[in-house]
Amino acid sequence: KAGVTQTPRYLIKTRGQQVTLSCSPISGHRSVSWYQQTPGQGLQFLFEYFSETQRNKGNFPGRFSGRQFSNSRSEMNVSTLELGDSALYLCASSLGEMNTEAFFGQGTRLTVV
Amino acid sequence: AQSVAQPEDQVNVAEGNPLTVKCTYSVSGNPYLFWYVQYPNRGLQFLLKYITGDNLVKGSYGFEAEFNKSQTSFHLKKPSALVSDSALYFCAVRDEGLGGGNKLTFGTGTQLKVEL
Repeated sequence: KAGVTQTPRYLIKTRGQQVTLSCSPISGHRSVSWYQQTPGQGLQFLFEYFSETQRNKGNFPGRFSGRQFSNSRSEMNVSTLELGDSALYLCASSLGEMNTEAFFGQGTRLTVV
Repeated sequence: AQSVAQPEDQVNVAEGNPLTVKCTYSVSGNPYLFWYVQYPNRGLQFLLKYITGDNLVKGSYGFEAEFNKSQTSFHLKKPSALVSDSALYFCAVRDEGLGGGNKLTFGTGTQLKVEL
């Protein structure tokens, strides 16, 4: 079966702009989580959506937001981009229960210049 | 709060030798523990998980992990390392004590280098 698909794979944006990243989970998975990966901070949890509702949120500013659609696809948006937002953004999908593993997409590499 | 520690930034091992990548965790409830591997410019690939039951968990590509509740550890092991195992390994935990939700807390990662 198809894996987790993230688009686009690469993005270059200018400070102050906004960006939208997309994630299509594995068919049947209702939970989508987003993570930011940087060399300095490692992997940090942004938020999780389950059945179109935000179920968990990490410690990121309000510039980072997300949503989930009825088909479980998810988008995350970052407004007023800063240089420090440059990172690999990873999406993970799972069935939703705590004892189930998450499957990750290949990520979107965002570079803010 | 839940946390994960991977005390070694890098582990070097010769091909054919056994390997161990260490992980310790801290949670308030029962832990759900996971190991992932990341190759350059790729996402994370799931290797194995511990939920409950046997303390020795077997996973993909010949990897296994041993859960030790008293030492709050979940070390990743493989009896015979391959050069192709060279990658970045992450340990992660979900804390049942935090209620529902799929938030994973990751360790800082351990770079495994397997040499001929």
